[in-house]
Amino acid sequence: NAGVTQTPKFQVLKTGQSMTLQCAQDMNHEYMSWYRQDPGMGLRLIHYSVGAGITDQGEVPNGYNVSRSTTEDFPLRLLSAAPSQTSVYFCASSYSFTSGQETQYFGPGTRLLVL
Amino acid sequence: QQQVKQSPQSLIVQKGGISIINCAYENTAFDYFPWYQQFPGKGPALLIAIRPDVSEKKEGRFTISFNKSAKQFSLHIMDSQPGDSATYFCAAGSDRGSTLGRLYFGRGTQLTVWP
Repeated sequence: NAGVTQTPKFQVLKTGQSMTLQCAQDMNHEYMSWYRQDPGMGLRLIHYSVGAGITDQGEVPNGYNVSRSTTEDFPLRLLSAAPSQTSVYFCASSYSFTSGQETQYFGPGTRLLVL
Repeated sequence: QQQVKQSPQSLIVQKGGISIINCAYENTAFDYFPWYQQFPGKGPALLIAIRPDVSEKKEGRFTISFNKSAKQFSLHIMDSQPGDSATYFCAAGSDRGSTLGRLYFGRGTQLTVWP
């Protein structure tokens, strides 16, 4: 199993550009999430999904869109990049939230710089 | 409003000492409390987790203590080693209700263990 994979690893954007951060998992996990990590702020939830076709907003959803057309993929779209979106983005997945199956597995992250 | 509050922000411990990180939560619906460990340039990885039906869980040198009435939980690292130097995040979540599928993270503690 490859686990959770994220592409690209690094990206530089200009203000106003759009892009999609890719996330895929091969563990047949129902739950997938996107977090951003900023110094001193911990991990903040952007969007999450409890299954294919179902998504919901997290703590900091503004400026981001998601969709979940398959169990495996959960792309994150930046509509019009802003310097405030400079961050490290992590995708995570888990089988469920019931006891014994709730471990979230994180991808290696995408480092995004918006100029 | 921050759902999970973590302290201290940074911690320096001598090799062989005990590292203690504390977290507090507000939402009584939370019933899953994991700790994640993150090394520089990597994604977080689950270290240990607890459910509120027990007050303590131990795995090797790592112990979670849980106080349901005080809505607090803590991570104890016994015999701390330089290899434990990392950032530690506490989190809270639930498998039901409006918080289903979401993990709320603390802001992290940067642990440094001096040899």
